[in-house]
Amino acid sequence: SQTIHQWPATLVQPVGSPLSLECTVEGTSNPNLYWYRQAAGRGLQLLFYSVGIGQISSEVPQNLSASRPQDRQFILSSKKLLLSDSGFYLCAWSSVSVGNTIYFGEGSWLTVV
Amino acid sequence: DQQVKQNSPSLSVQEGRISILNCDYTNSMFDYFLWYKKYPAEGPTFLISISSIKDKNEDGRFTVFLNKSAKHLSLHIVPSQPGDSAVYFCAEYSGAGSYQLTFGKGTKLSVIP
Repeated sequence: SQTIHQWPATLVQPVGSPLSLECTVEGTSNPNLYWYRQAAGRGLQLLFYSVGIGQISSEVPQNLSASRPQDRQFILSSKKLLLSDSGFYLCAWSSVSVGNTIYFGEGSWLTVV
Repeated sequence: DQQVKQNSPSLSVQEGRISILNCDYTNSMFDYFLWYKKYPAEGPTFLISISSIKDKNEDGRFTVFLNKSAKHLSLHIVPSQPGDSAVYFCAEYSGAGSYQLTFGKGTKLSVIP
C-alpha cells in the first residue's frame, strides 16, 4: 500500500530564516506530487505540483520554492521566511493507478515569529 | 473569483440527525467532485467522490448529490455521529494529466451529542 510522510510536523522559525519541508511517498512510482497550504480562512491553496523529477509548476507567486530531486521526494523551501508564510503545509500525491483522488500527508505546522 | 464555494463556514447538528454540507461551483467542465474530511492538525482524508455523469453516489452513511443545472452539490451524513465533527472540504477535479484539485474554503461540522 502507498504511504506519504512529511516532516517536520511542527516548526517555529524566525523571520528571514530559511525553510525546508520534506515529503516522501512510498509504494507507488512516478506519482504526481503537490504542496498545499491551509491558512486561516482561506481553505486549501495549491502552491506547487510536480508530474515528474525536476518538473515543478508554481500556482501562487511567493517567496517559496519546490524541488523534486527524486521520483518520490518533494521538498518545499524558502531562503527567507516572512510572517505571512505561517500556516499548515500539506504534501500530497496522486497517481493514475488510484484514479482521481489526491492523498494527503499529515501536515506541517509552520509558525514564523 | 472562487471556482468552488462553500458558503457556510460552520454547521451544528444533533447526533443522530442528518448533516447537509453544501458546495457551489462555476466550472461546468469538471470531471469529478471530491469531499475530504479534515481533523485539526491532520491532513485531509478522502471521503467520497462523484463523477460528472452521475447525480448521486452513496457510501454507507455518506451520500453526495450533484445538481448540474444548479451547479450545486451536497454531502449528506446520516445519521450524524460525534466523530464526524471535522472540517469538510469540497474539491473539484477538472482537466487531465496533473490531477489538480480546486478546493472550497471548508465547512466546520460540529455534531452535538
